[in-house]
Amino acid sequence: QSALTQPASVSGSPGQSITISCTGTSSDVGNYNLVSWYQQHPGKAPKLMIYEVSKRPSGVSSRFSGSKSGNTASLTISGLQAEDEADYYCCSYAGSRVFGGGTKLTVL
Amino acid sequence: QVQLVESGGGLVKPGGSLRLSCAASGFTFSDYYMSWIRQAPGKGLEWVSYISGSSSYTNYADSVKGRFTISRDNAKNSLYLQMNSLRAEDTAVYYCARDIESAADHWGQGTLVTVPS
Repeated sequence: QSALTQPASVSGSPGQSITISCTGTSSDVGNYNLVSWYQQHPGKAPKLMIYEVSKRPSGVSSRFSGSKSGNTASLTISGLQAEDEADYYCCSYAGSRVFGGGTKLTVL
Repeated sequence: QVQLVESGGGLVKPGGSLRLSCAASGFTFSDYYMSWIRQAPGKGLEWVSYISGSSSYTNYADSVKGRFTISRDNAKNSLYLQMNSLRAEDTAVYYCARDIESAADHWGQGTLVTVPS
């Protein structure tokens, strides 16, 4: 159950697009279309943003999108806004579940 | 609306035990898998355990296997986590979450468990 690999930090200016990668193995990300993404603001509980690689829960902005290629999943945020500044975590089913280490998004 | 409220956290000595509870409302509890997910202070998320709606299937992270037990009472709309042989590295905020398709779509506010080193 090794953690998925995410960049520690990414940044972008308002209005720009950014992509956060999440690299696993053929035993997790590469083997199941069960990757989810979470947004967490300081002191708050995480919020589900994407599930099953690319599906958005009701109420989540269409600016958030997910994809997967091989053993790497990605979260793209378009039209970056100040309120998008948060920590983002990916997670994959692997029999059990495994999270990524998290990525801090800074909106410049 | 979906609501998950954890309780039972606190300060416990190494080697001690604690039982966390999660009260669920706003949905048909027995229809959903449920999970416990934790976050050590200043660290990332770590999935701990999940349980099927009928309790027929459970799974645990290697870090807690043999020490923690997940259970549920569908008549009481409640989820539990029995934690034994606690260690300093178990110190974390523990979140209860509802599962959809192996994702946690609703989370509680969390309860803090502290095990001093």
